[in-house]
Amino acid sequence: KQEVTQIPAALSVPEGENLVLNCSFTDSAIYNLQWFRQDPGKGLTSLLLIQSSQREQTSGRLNASLDKSSGRSTLYIAASQPGDSATYLCAVVVIQGAQKLVFGQGTRLTINP
Amino acid sequence: KAGVTQTPRYLIKTRGQQVTLSCSPISGHRSVSWYQQTPGQGLQFLFEYFSETQRNKGNFPGRFSGRQFSNSRSEMNVSTLELGDSALYLCASSLALDSLTEAFFGQGTRLTVV
Repeated sequence: KQEVTQIPAALSVPEGENLVLNCSFTDSAIYNLQWFRQDPGKGLTSLLLIQSSQREQTSGRLNASLDKSSGRSTLYIAASQPGDSATYLCAVVVIQGAQKLVFGQGTRLTINP
Repeated sequence: KAGVTQTPRYLIKTRGQQVTLSCSPISGHRSVSWYQQTPGQGLQFLFEYFSETQRNKGNFPGRFSGRQFSNSRSEMNVSTLELGDSALYLCASSLALDSLTEAFFGQGTRLTVV
């Protein structure tokens, strides 16, 4: 059974810092990995999709990497801003069994002005 | 291009009642998935539909059901509501849930059971 873990559960940093969020998964047989952002009480906003054949994806100040062999992904946020404050979730689509997104518990990020 | 639309945004129901939630996917998307989000359990998969067929179902009781129409819009129904069904219900749409496609979520329906 695929399990996704995100560390840390919460992170608070001053504005302007570069930071890394971690995601690990137990089964490397995945189709892809997707990073989402969720603001309080809202839905999920897709940030980046990394297909299983890719190593990384970039969008603006965000860069996500994927290492399937070690079951790890990182989301790098450069020059953090208060508007980046949100919960960040990673999810994988498994190959075996039900095609569904399996989510981690998320990292609650606070950027202090 | 319009995003995923979920209606209603908020619902308050009494124990024992039933409820129907609606999801309109992005135009052209044929896969619709439903997830339940609670503080204790996080995001859990309910079911996925593709071209009006339920392809996958999560580990939820039979009180939770759904369907998809020919225009890809989907509905989710919960019967005999329990207090523990209070949650944010999220719908995701994608072209097809496989390696090439990105999933996009709606704003969710906040269900409160009293």
